[in-house]
Amino acid sequence: QSALTQPASVSGSPGQSITISCTGTSSDVGGYNYVSWYQQHPGKAPKLMIYDVSKRPSGVSDRFSGSKSGNTASLTISGLQAEDEADYYCSSYTSSSTWVFGGGTKLTVL
Amino acid sequence: QVQLQESGPGLVKPSETLSLTCAVSGYSISSGYYWGWIRQPPGKGLEWIGSIYHSGSTYYNPSLKSRVTISVDTSKNQFSLKLSSVTAADTAVYYCARHPNIVVAGTSWFDPWGQGTLVTVSS
Repeated sequence: QSALTQPASVSGSPGQSITISCTGTSSDVGGYNYVSWYQQHPGKAPKLMIYDVSKRPSGVSDRFSGSKSGNTASLTISGLQAEDEADYYCSSYTSSSTWVFGGGTKLTVL
Repeated sequence: QVQLQESGPGLVKPSETLSLTCAVSGYSISSGYYWGWIRQPPGKGLEWIGSIYHSGSTYYNPSLKSRVTISVDTSKNQFSLKLSSVTAADTAVYYCARHPNIVVAGTSWFDPWGQGTLVTVSS
């Protein structure tokens, strides 16, 4: 299985909105509403931010939102804050009953 | 709350077997959910290794399947990973995490995660 495709980096200024894309195939992202997103600060474990494409776990800010169109899922962060600077990973369930992650996107808050 | 903690040797020689354990607290493994292993080579992305249900049912990453064994010990409330014939490419931080039975629950996520443990493959 191939890793999902994410941009290596994105950046934005405080208060702005950014979107991170996650592209897969019809066998993973496009075939199921089982895309999740994780935030990872340096030296820390990943933290669940979005699941099932657009659902937010309890305690996660509503500045984080998710969506999907075809084989591409997206994570949008609005009202960027300094603490949002981190690596972000998408993940999807696949038709082989396995899970695949994206290569990760480094978000820089300017 | 549910907490996961990885443990095991931090250094493994090439061609040997990497063995890690994930201890679960705050939740009984026998109560449900799948329990998975995910790794992250230094400076790189995440890779799902495999998952196990309390019944012993397993799913493995096809690219690692020939070398991976995941087992569960419900009496100790922990599950384990064995990766055989390791090479330098297996050097990574290894995480354990919980995820739902997607067929039954109709939802998919990994949460919570353990803090991770770095395993270096070197002679």
